[in-house]
Amino acid sequence: GAVVSQHPSWVICKSGTSVKIECRSLDFQATTMFWYRQFPKQSLMLMATSNEGSKATYEQGVEKDKFLINHASLTLSTLTVTSAHPEDSSFYICSARDPVKGANQPQHFGDGTRLSIL
Amino acid sequence: SQQGEEDPQALSIQEGENATMNCSYKTSINNLQWYRQNSGRGLVHLILIRSNEREKHSGRLRVTLDTSKKSSSLLITASRAADTASYFCATEVGGSRLTFGEGTQLTVNP
Repeated sequence: GAVVSQHPSWVICKSGTSVKIECRSLDFQATTMFWYRQFPKQSLMLMATSNEGSKATYEQGVEKDKFLINHASLTLSTLTVTSAHPEDSSFYICSARDPVKGANQPQHFGDGTRLSIL
Repeated sequence: SQQGEEDPQALSIQEGENATMNCSYKTSINNLQWYRQNSGRGLVHLILIRSNEREKHSGRLRVTLDTSKKSSSLLITASRAADTASYFCATEVGGSRLTFGEGTQLTVNP
C-alpha cells in the first residue's frame, strides 16, 4: 500500500539551530502534503498545507518565516524550523493522500519527527 | 481550533471487554476518519466513513456516523492489550484537509 516516509525520526540540537525535516511519498505522487505539530498528550494541529510547485498555505498563528516549507517535487516536501528554540520542541508529522485514488480516501502519515531543542 | 471533540479523554478496560469512543463535530463533512496512534509514532488509518454512510465494519472495529447529531462512535470489540493507543477522529470538509478531535487514550489491561 501507499507509504509516507519521514526523516529524521528524532533530532536533538542546540537553540538557534535550523532543522530540516523531510517527508516523502514512496509509491505515489503527492501534489499536496500536510504538516502537523503535536504536543505531548494533545491532538494534531495542522500547521500548513504544502503544495507542489507553489507556496505553502499556513494556518492562522503559524509563522511562515519560522517554519519554511518547500515542495519542490511530487514526492518530497520539507519543513525547516529556522533558528529553533526550546518552545519549538514538539512532535512534527506529515501526511499525504494519493490523488489518483480520488476523493474519500484516507491520509497516509509519516512516523513523525521528535524535535528537542536544548 | 479543533472541530472535533472526543469522549472519553481516557478509557481503561480489561482485555476482552468492548471499548466505545465518541466524536462530535460542528460543520458539514465529506467524510469522517478514525486513526490510531501508538505512543511516539505516526497515525495509522482505521476506518473512513462517508457522509452518506451510517455504519461501517472492519474486523473488530465498528464505526457509526449520525450526521443529524454530527457525531460518530468507534467500537472496538473483544479488546486486546495491543489495542492500547490513542484514537483520533478526523473530519474532512474539502480538499483532503483533516481536522482532528482531541483523542481518546485507551488502555487495555491484560
